Amino acid sequence: QKEVEQNSGPLSVPEGAIASLNCTYSDRVSQSFFWYRQYSGKSPELIMSIYSNGDKEDGRFTAQLNKASQYVSLLIRDSQPSDSATYLCAVNGGGSNYKLTFGKGTLLTVNP
Amino acid sequence: GAVVSQHPSWVICKSGTSVKIECRSLDFQATTMFWYRQFPKQSLMLMATSNEGSKATYEQGVEKDKFLINHASLTLSTLTVTSAHPEDSSFYICSARGTSGRVGNEQFFGPGTRLTVL
Repeated sequence: QKEVEQNSGPLSVPEGAIASLNCTYSDRVSQSFFWYRQYSGKSPELIMSIYSNGDKEDGRFTAQLNKASQYVSLLIRDSQPSDSATYLCAVNGGGSNYKLTFGKGTLLTVNP
Repeated sequence: GAVVSQHPSWVICKSGTSVKIECRSLDFQATTMFWYRQFPKQSLMLMATSNEGSKATYEQGVEKDKFLINHASLTLSTLTVTSAHPEDSSFYICSARGTSGRVGNEQFFGPGTRLTVL
């Protein structure tokens, strides 16, 4: 059973702070890792993808991957109230069907 | 780029009726489409994977005769909830994956369809 674990939160940070979201996965052969943002009542929106160990930066977002530790994280710098949402970690095990396994999500609240 | 649409965005129906939901990739060819269901305050649950021109692959516990999936073209997949009951009320979301490049590696989600069965 492939599992993706996230702290459910809620995680509350003040505006302008760094929000740190964490995710661990059980399947060692996983190859692709994604962070989705989901606002209440909306569908998920892809914000970051990462495929190799290390850091990947895109604007205020940085994804970090450590395959040896089976750990992937998302840092949000200069957090804004508009970042308040549920963040979903998703892992692709690398099979030909490209299925994603999602974590339960971490609810982030950025306080003005 | 990589836009996925769904129709309808919401639907209310009576128990026992069937509801069809359409998922379209607007600016890329989707060789694979995925159908998810999400209950309130829960994560996404994959229902089935559909590849263009072939039968869908259903996840364990999902009734294939109740949730009919058709992926007849590279831009359209449909999910039909047959004989819907109140317990089928949920948020149904599709995603699509293309053949190469960014759309080949990532899944892009439609806006979702909220189904309420009375």
